[in-house]
Amino acid sequence: QKEVEQNSGPLSVPEGAIASLNCTYSDRGSQSFFWYRQYSGKSPELIMFIYSNGDKEDGRFTAQLNKASQYVSLLIRDSQPSDSATYLCAVKFGNEKLTFGTGTRLTIIP
Amino acid sequence: KAGVTQTPRYLIKTRGQQVTLSCSPISGHRSVSWYQQTPGQGLQFLFEYFSETQRNKGNFPGRFSGRQFSNSRSEMNVSTLELGDSALYLCASSLSLRPKGGELFFGEGSRLTVL
Repeated sequence: QKEVEQNSGPLSVPEGAIASLNCTYSDRGSQSFFWYRQYSGKSPELIMFIYSNGDKEDGRFTAQLNKASQYVSLLIRDSQPSDSATYLCAVKFGNEKLTFGTGTRLTIIP
Repeated sequence: KAGVTQTPRYLIKTRGQQVTLSCSPISGHRSVSWYQQTPGQGLQFLFEYFSETQRNKGNFPGRFSGRQFSNSRSEMNVSTLELGDSALYLCASSLSLRPKGGELFFGEGSRLTVL
């Protein structure tokens, strides 16, 4: 099993709907979790991080972490065309390198 | 506050040559990581430096090397370039190794083309 896995998509969501992005990871001790957004031709930018089980909300974005099931998800409410991008899930296992998934390409359809 | 600065932004080399890429982190950030990004492989980790010490290393051949200076600036070098080294090389800085070590701030990257 790969350390961090994401569905590559593309995922198409109508404008105004909720976009749900999922990520699974291998269980290796303590972890912290991050979501990055990368627009085409641009560098990744951090949009959310979550360290504890449960939900974390920031504006239209909610990160959900379930350590028992080894998944972390990102929900985008009221999706906008400007949310169209590739979303990268990343996990930091202890003091090791930050490991990225391959990303999910999201397209918001007006 | 200035972001992460990478130079050069674009460069073209031929096989067998070597290249050095530079990265200046955000002021106050002591950790610098390097990633290679290609359409097929995604973001692949190269190495991570903290206070001039290499803390983590990815699975790249010895042709890839790096270093960090006392002012936290970092360089990476690729020797004996191969066609497969064509990629976007991204540098990212962070305040520390953990737990905020995953909160990376990326530069705009250096796009290397090997002919």
